[in-house]
Amino acid sequence: NAGVTQTPKFRILKIGQSMTLQCTQDMNHNYMYWYRQDPGMGLKLIYYSVGAGITDKGEVPNGYNVSRSTTEDFPLRLELAAPSQTSVYFCASRSTTFNSPLHFGNGTRLTVT
Amino acid sequence: AQKVTQAQTEISVVEKEDVTLDCVYETRDTTYYLFWYKQPPSGELVFLIRRNSFDEQNEISGRYSWNFQKSTSSFNFTITASQVVDSAVYFCALTSGTALIFGKGTTLSVSS
Repeated sequence: NAGVTQTPKFRILKIGQSMTLQCTQDMNHNYMYWYRQDPGMGLKLIYYSVGAGITDKGEVPNGYNVSRSTTEDFPLRLELAAPSQTSVYFCASRSTTFNSPLHFGNGTRLTVT
Repeated sequence: AQKVTQAQTEISVVEKEDVTLDCVYETRDTTYYLFWYKQPPSGELVFLIRRNSFDEQNEISGRYSWNFQKSTSSFNFTITASQVVDSAVYFCALTSGTALIFGKGTTLSVSS
């Protein structure tokens, strides 16, 4: 099993450009998440989804959008990229069992200049 | 609101020393789960352990041990006889529902 797959691994954007970070999982998990990691700040939750067609905001949703049309895919959209969005982005998934751990992708390193 | 505090930003030890990473949490929920994750220099996030709010037994796994105390809202992580391969960022996390809230992490550097 591939687990959680994120693409791309690296990306450089210019201010004002847009892009979509892709995330797909093959574990049939209903719950999916997007986090960003900034140095010394830990992981901040951007958006999450409890199933296809359902999404909800996390701690830092401004400047991002998500969709969940299938159980497998949970893309993160950046519109009008800003330098403050320079970060490492992690996608994660888990089963609906209350204590199930998150399975993380390997991350996308995004730089906005 | 829920919160996880890892007050130790960075810790440096020499191999074979024991080291404890502190985690203090805040929640109003009576049912919740606590987790520890490891992020080695390669960047991936690795699940280490989970503990539910009703189980205060300490846990030991090889050189790793965890001490959960509800009275002090703490879930501390001890590495015994540290090794260079333990060098990583360690995150404590909390959930009582859907979202998992992380602390800011503790960077552990183990030198030989």
